[in-house]
Amino acid sequence: QVQLVESGGGVVQPGGSLRLSCAASGFTFSSYGMHWVRQAPGKGLEWVAFIRYDGSNKYYADSVKGRFTISRDNSKNTLYLQMNSLRAEDTAVYYCAKDSKLWQLLPSGLDYWGQGTLVTVSS
Amino acid sequence: SYELTQPPSVSVSPGQTARITCSGDALPKKYPYWYQQKSGQAPVLVIYEDSKRPSGIPERFSGSSSGTMATLTISGAQVEDEADYYCYSTDSSGNHRGVFGGGTKLTVL
Repeated sequence: QVQLVESGGGVVQPGGSLRLSCAASGFTFSSYGMHWVRQAPGKGLEWVAFIRYDGSNKYYADSVKGRFTISRDNSKNTLYLQMNSLRAEDTAVYYCAKDSKLWQLLPSGLDYWGQGTLVTVSS
Repeated sequence: SYELTQPPSVSVSPGQTARITCSGDALPKKYPYWYQQKSGQAPVLVIYEDSKRPSGIPERFSGSSSGTMATLTISGAQVEDEADYYCYSTDSSGNHRGVFGGGTKLTVL
């Protein structure tokens, strides 16, 4: 069965950096695009970023573009989110999610989600 | 930027039909997806590509679309269906971004 396990969350000061990881299993990781989605405390879901199955194309929400970088290591079945210049408004639970379509070049729907990791940006 | 609009809340009694709408200009071109999120849990896909139901999702969940409006219907809502529901789609403008609606709190009591 598909499993996605996020890690790397924690407390960081404004302006700091953090790298999240998402370990994937139960499917052919290198054949699917992957997403990051976040949810601020008490708020709705916000799509953050998508990376193509082979890592060659990446797309970002305006709110994180230029500060966050999505990447993947298909040899390790792992997705990453490097977060720099963090702000208080980046405080959220961060979920990784699998795209629903095989060999998809662009973001599509999300079919499986991890349990999330909490990032708190505070001094 | 592209937006999907949902009502903040919907309330029904057990056994009644709940309908949650989602409007967006790109919905005629891009499939909507629907997610259920119960308190403290990760979202779960309940409807994909407009009207398809993943395995394990009860038949009372269905989806439909007409023009710029998508609708999630829960026929005979149960107390355990009480949750937040989000529609999702992608931008058709060439920005290639995902977008979630603001979410709808479904109350069944």
